[in-house]
Amino acid sequence: GENVEQHPSTLSVQEGDSAVIKCTYSDSASNYFPWYKQELGKGPQLIIDIRSNVGEKKDQRIAVTLNKTAKHFSLHITETQPEDSAVYFCAASFRGGSQGNLIFGKGTKLSVKP
Amino acid sequence: EPEVTQTPSHQVTQMGQEVILRCVPISNHLYFYWYRQILGQKVEFLVSFYNNEISEKSEIFDDQFSVERPDGSNFTLKIRSTKLEDSAMYFCASSEDNEKLFFGSGTQLSVL
Repeated sequence: GENVEQHPSTLSVQEGDSAVIKCTYSDSASNYFPWYKQELGKGPQLIIDIRSNVGEKKDQRIAVTLNKTAKHFSLHITETQPEDSAVYFCAASFRGGSQGNLIFGKGTKLSVKP
Repeated sequence: EPEVTQTPSHQVTQMGQEVILRCVPISNHLYFYWYRQILGQKVEFLVSFYNNEISEKSEIFDDQFSVERPDGSNFTLKIRSTKLEDSAMYFCASSEDNEKLFFGSGTQLSVL
């Protein structure tokens, strides 16, 4: 079946450093790629998304890049802060499904050390 | 800021019992979803709902599951006869455009 692989599963960085999380997807029909942040005791919160007709998108310290040919996309967080510590999920829209039918990666637990 | 609310936050039930998980989506949203996450596994799509009917469902969403929007504000997920493997965190989500999903904090269902 369709799948999204996410790496690494855990990531520890020093405050101020950059963090990069990578995902690959199998469904060539996927055209929508959101990233979610999940803090302890809360549901996933959308932080940035990108559509397949765009190669890069940036929002302050967060950026996402998409390589459609290679079927991979990445989340970049610059100048990390302790409050960036959370679990981050990538997702891709499912073949033949609506954008709301998402296939998730397994998550990356990011720890930012002060 | 508007948010999706889910109740209860934790639900413990005996195998074979029926459970109803409740959600109040964001008020101007038209698309509603249920996802679940079994401990240590991925978040998985269960079902989407629009215009008072199911628009898509996954293989997980079998005859034991049903969804309803009983009163124009609540959105519920019913599991008729729970199994041990139904134990998971269940997330409700809603969307204005069927693209950007807003998730609730989840209901942790434990089937004993």
